[in-house]
Amino acid sequence: AQKITQTQPGMFVQEKEAVTLDCTYDTSDPSYGLFWYKQPSSGEMIFLIYQGSYDQQNATEGRYSLNFQKARKSANLVISASQLGDSAMYFCAMRAMDTGRRALTFGSGTRLQVQP
Amino acid sequence: DTEVTQTPKHLVMGMTNKKSLKCEQHMGHRAMYWYKQKAKKPPELMFVYSYEKLSINESVPSRFSPECPNSSLLNLHLHALQPEDSALYLCASSPLAGDTGELFFGEGSRLTVL
Repeated sequence: AQKITQTQPGMFVQEKEAVTLDCTYDTSDPSYGLFWYKQPSSGEMIFLIYQGSYDQQNATEGRYSLNFQKARKSANLVISASQLGDSAMYFCAMRAMDTGRRALTFGSGTRLQVQP
Repeated sequence: DTEVTQTPKHLVMGMTNKKSLKCEQHMGHRAMYWYKQKAKKPPELMFVYSYEKLSINESVPSRFSPECPNSSLLNLHLHALQPEDSALYLCASSPLAGDTGELFFGEGSRLTVL
């Protein structure tokens, strides 16, 4: 079974500052993938970044980076230079990579509000 | 713009109505998913289709009936729903091989059951 925990229901950040959204996970699968999605009020889930459990380097995608600490089972999202458009709900998710179950399991989410 | 298209965007129905949600993708993905999302909650998996065959049913009540007529289309037929079924229904798709497993989501269909 997989479990994703996001302990921050809400976060505030000033525009142009960096913010870290926390995510911890638990799984018995030896190979797994970790994902972050953004959900604005429109409802669409927007893929941000992916980290494989065997990847040696932390993933980066533009202003997004994933701070992956395998021993601590954490996969925190770092957003640099926050913008007003970053205000949204952020979900951490994971899936096993060696099984046929390709569906994602999501954490409870963190609502980020960027203030001018 | 999202490459997964869901219609309708909003739907209001009574408990005795029959309606359908539609999802379409043209990315050649052979896995398609239905998720249900209640307000302020994460998406919860309902169904997964792989190669147009139902591969996962997360013990969803039979008043929800999925259908995958071809590799590009996914329907969710609704009948005799309850008010607690009101939610955002998200469709997603993904490739089945050689990828990271990223799911591509539509904008969702927001369902209200009266």
